[in-house]
Amino acid sequence: DADVTQTPRNRITKTGKRIMLECSQTKGHDRMYWYRQDPGLGLRLIYYSFDVKDINKGEISDGYSVSRQAQAKFSLSLESAIPNQTALYFCATRPDRNTDTQYFGPGTRLTVL
Amino acid sequence: GNSVTQMEGPVTLSEEAFLTINCTYTATGYPSLFWYVQYPGEGLQLLLKATKADDKGSNKGFEATYRKETTSFHLEKGSVQVSDSAVYFCALSDAWGDSSYKLIFGSGTRLLVRP
Repeated sequence: DADVTQTPRNRITKTGKRIMLECSQTKGHDRMYWYRQDPGLGLRLIYYSFDVKDINKGEISDGYSVSRQAQAKFSLSLESAIPNQTALYFCATRPDRNTDTQYFGPGTRLTVL
Repeated sequence: GNSVTQMEGPVTLSEEAFLTINCTYTATGYPSLFWYVQYPGEGLQLLLKATKADDKGSNKGFEATYRKETTSFHLEKGSVQVSDSAVYFCALSDAWGDSSYKLIFGSGTRLLVRP
């Protein structure tokens, strides 16, 4: 089984709808991240969390919110989806403060019509 | 701020050709450098990394050397296979605060290997 899973893998929604993307991990890592990938732009950081009580904004957090329900779960919400949020979204984990390698989930492709 | 610049793709090669994907970076301090690979329909996988100057990361026939004097981390492979077709991302870890490492990615380079 995959260590970092994301659900759903694909989602099509309409402008104005609320959407939640979920990430779960079995790696036991403290740190979790949400990125979005757009063609030609690489990955950009949306939010990150060091533990269930520590959540921080990344470089493009506007229009998004997150929830760290447990060490293993980190959800990303779009309160009112808009078309320019159409992208590929990745969750990632990192073991601890002294390790810089991140481990990625398979991604969620979101289309906002 | 710190940044990563990669050569634009797509890069199209024949099987068994030599591969180079250029990556240069701008950073303060001494970041770790990474290459991640994204196969079609999949998430990013760590391909290799180097943590200090002159280190060479290697994996699956790929290698890259951390060159501080030229601020580069070019990815190379001596003989590519069709199965290497993917998007390759160069990245650096940007440490700040309490070791809150943030990965900064290049824009990605698509590699297409033809039989």
